[in-house]
Amino acid sequence: QKEVEQNSGPLSVPEGAIASLNCTYSDRGSQSFFWYRQYSGKSPELIMFIYSNGDKEDGRFTAQLNKASQYVSLLIRDSQPSDSATYLCAQSGGGADGLTFGKGTHLIIQP
Amino acid sequence: EPEVTQTPSHQVTQMGQEVILRCVPISNHLYFYWYRQILGQKVEFLVSFYNNEISEKSEIFDDQFSVERPDGSNFTLKIRSTKLEDSAMYFCASSPVDRGLGYTFGSGTRLTVV
Repeated sequence: QKEVEQNSGPLSVPEGAIASLNCTYSDRGSQSFFWYRQYSGKSPELIMFIYSNGDKEDGRFTAQLNKASQYVSLLIRDSQPSDSATYLCAQSGGGADGLTFGKGTHLIIQP
Repeated sequence: EPEVTQTPSHQVTQMGQEVILRCVPISNHLYFYWYRQILGQKVEFLVSFYNNEISEKSEIFDDQFSVERPDGSNFTLKIRSTKLEDSAMYFCASSPVDRGLGYTFGSGTRLTVV
């Protein structure tokens, strides 16, 4: 059974600070990892994907993957109030696999 | 930017009725998916579809559910004999050949069974 675990929060971060979101997964066969942002009542929106150990940066976002520890994280620099949302971590095992999602972390950026 | 289109945005149906949720995936994508999200819970995978057949399905996707790609552009999810617990947001998604590039989700259909 594939599991993706996230702290549900809420995680409260002051505007302009770095928000750090974490995720662990159970399936060592997982190949790709995704961070989605979901606003209340809306669909998931892809922020970043990562499949190699190490860091991947895209603008204010950095994803980090450590396959040995089965750990994925997302850093958001210079946090803005518009970043307030639920952040979903997901993994895919490849093939025609669908995504296995965590429950999400509710992030609140305080102005 | 290409998008996945879902209709209707909201569907209300009586328990025991059949519903069909419709999706138009991104045109050059080859893999199609249905997910659901019960209010306050996590997004759950239902089924994946490739080359005109089901590739993978979850435990949730039992005989009550079926999928179809009737005309080369639409992708539908049929739910027979709906139950109260089928009330959820249903998301369609599609992905290109390289699925590691991510999956694009539609805006969802909110299904309410009364």
